[in-house]
Amino acid sequence: AQSVTQLGSHVSVSEGALVLLRCNYSSSVPPYLFWYVQYPNQGLQLLLKYTSAATLVKGINGFEAEFKKSETSFHLTKPSAHMSDAAEYFCAVTTSGSARQLTFGSGTQLTVLP
Amino acid sequence: DTGVSQDPRHKITKRGQNVTFRCDPISEHNRLYWYRQTLGQGPEFLTYFQNEAQLEKSRLLSDRFSAERPKGSFSTLEIQRTEQGDSAMYLCASSAGTGGGNQPQHFGDGTRLSIL
Repeated sequence: AQSVTQLGSHVSVSEGALVLLRCNYSSSVPPYLFWYVQYPNQGLQLLLKYTSAATLVKGINGFEAEFKKSETSFHLTKPSAHMSDAAEYFCAVTTSGSARQLTFGSGTQLTVLP
Repeated sequence: DTGVSQDPRHKITKRGQNVTFRCDPISEHNRLYWYRQTLGQGPEFLTYFQNEAQLEKSRLLSDRFSAERPKGSFSTLEIQRTEQGDSAMYLCASSAGTGGGNQPQHFGDGTRLSIL
């Protein structure tokens, strides 16, 4: 079985400040990890994915995430927050086994203060 | 690539009625997924198709729920005898590939169901 824990259901940062959203996973087999962003009343948009290649993954809109196996973490960062980054962010895990579904964390709502 | 399309965007119905949602995946994607998202939570997996075959179903998918993908293209999700607890956003996603789970899933904008 696999699971995801996102620490901090709400994170507030000032515009221009570093964004750090935390994600820890649990998986008995090597995982594939994803970050998605969701704007109000919309579906989920893929930000980036880790699929066992480079451990530092770059995504869209200046986001990146680093896979750390020893810490079972896949934290999302962005050097400088923009007002348009305000949204809900979800970390998700799946594996190469028979299951194809994504298991999501409960999400982190990011607020960007002017 | 026109993206995943879901219809309707919003559905309001009375308790006990049946509802049906439609999902049109990205045309070249052979995998299709349904998820349910309640307020303040991440999406939860409901079911998965590879082409027209329904390969996995979550325990969340009670016998009041049925999903089909008759020709391996669009899919429908039907809920019979709706209950208050069915109120949620129903998300459809599609992905390419026949191997492991490393192909990203692309999501539609969802159907928001409200039960009166």
